[in-house]
Amino acid sequence: QVQLVQSGAEVKKPGASVKVSCKASGYTFTGYYMHWVRQAPGQGLEWMGWINPNSGGTNYAQKFQGRVTMTRDTSISTAYMELSRLRSDDTAVYYCARDRLRDTVTTPDYWGQGTLVTVSS
Amino acid sequence: AIWMTQSPSLLSASTGDRVTISCRMSQGISSYLAWYQQKPGKAPELLIYAASTLQSGVPSRFSGSGSGTDFTLTISCLQSEDFATYYCQQYYSFPQTFGQGTKVEIK
Repeated sequence: QVQLVQSGAEVKKPGASVKVSCKASGYTFTGYYMHWVRQAPGQGLEWMGWINPNSGGTNYAQKFQGRVTMTRDTSISTAYMELSRLRSDDTAVYYCARDRLRDTVTTPDYWGQGTLVTVSS
Repeated sequence: AIWMTQSPSLLSASTGDRVTISCRMSQGISSYLAWYQQKPGKAPELLIYAASTLQSGVPSRFSGSGSGTDFTLTISCLQSEDFATYYCQQYYSFPQTFGQGTKVEIK
């Protein structure tokens, strides 16, 4: 069965960076785009971008351009999302989510359990 | 970016009720719309994609309709496990965007 297991909660100071991992199992990792979505406390969902695990190609929402980097390690079926120059309003739960269809970008079906990133001085 | 207006933001209903949630787009998106359910402390779960196609394993009391700019999620007979927050999402154009969410609470 498809599983996405994310790394544990993080506490960071403003200006620091955080790197969240997402280990995939139960399917061919390189066959499906991986999305990243975040959710601030009590707020809605915000799409951040995607990575093509096969090619390493990425597409980031403009809001995060210059601060976010999505990468992958195909040898261990793991995707990563790094966010730099953290601010207090980056405090959120960050989710990885696999696209529903192979080799194309549509909408996510399987989601990780989420990683809480708290930014506080 | 495509703007989405989801309504209502809060819906009070009773078990057995029929409920509808609306999602309106700032421009046409054909049928590139999904609906998600999210319960507190949990990741979202995909209910419907392509505006009206039920995701595998989702109960048939959930249905979706619409195309272009206006979409609807209907729960035909609300069950206790359906009290949650629902989000629409467009994947027609970059960046993908989510509606603001509709919390369905017990009346």
